[in-house]
Amino acid sequence: EAGVAQSPRYKIIEKRQSVAFWCNPISGHATLYWYQQILGQGPKLLIQFQNNGVVDDSQLPKDRFSAERLKGVDSTLKIQPAKLEDSAVYLCASSRDLYGYTFGSGTRLTVV
Amino acid sequence: AQKVTQAQTEISVVEKEDVTLDCVYETRDTTYYLFWYKQPPSGELVFLIRRNSFDEQNEISGRYSWNFQKSTSSFNFTITASQVVDSAVYFCALIEDKFYFGSGTKLNVKP
Repeated sequence: EAGVAQSPRYKIIEKRQSVAFWCNPISGHATLYWYQQILGQGPKLLIQFQNNGVVDDSQLPKDRFSAERLKGVDSTLKIQPAKLEDSAVYLCASSRDLYGYTFGSGTRLTVV
Repeated sequence: AQKVTQAQTEISVVEKEDVTLDCVYETRDTTYYLFWYKQPPSGELVFLIRRNSFDEQNEISGRYSWNFQKSTSSFNFTITASQVVDSAVYFCALIEDKFYFGSGTKLNVKP
């Protein structure tokens, strides 16, 4: 089966600019996750979708981050405006159940 | 409090040495899952193993083996006869209601 697709692979922006990341999960996976991984740390959950509804966004900085999953398939994560501390790898994952995760290759964001 | 602790930040070994990566977890749940992931320099997270809380049998897969001990809340990972391609960051993770990752151990295998 095809994996979790993410784009772009890399992005460099200036602070205060906006950026968007895209994720296409594995077909049939109802649950989609966005994680932020800062260099030297483990991934941290930003938001979890079940189909097109939000299950957990408790760690999403809602003043600048937003995410949507239209039609319960693809998802977009946006940052507006970006700060230096947003430099990280943004990982998308999908699962059929709680325990069968597949991660994408991630988008490496550098804010300068 | 950290739910998953990987005390070893970085380990360096010479090829063919055995190496053990430590993982200690904290949970009050009786049902939980533990994972190990490998993150090579390319950045993707590669699934290595999943173990549920009711299965304490140790597991071996080729050069990889895992030692799960509920009594000490540990889920350690051993690579036997390490190779340069094993160089990566390794994450231990726990699922209760959601994923909790450790901070990772960077393994450097030198030729």
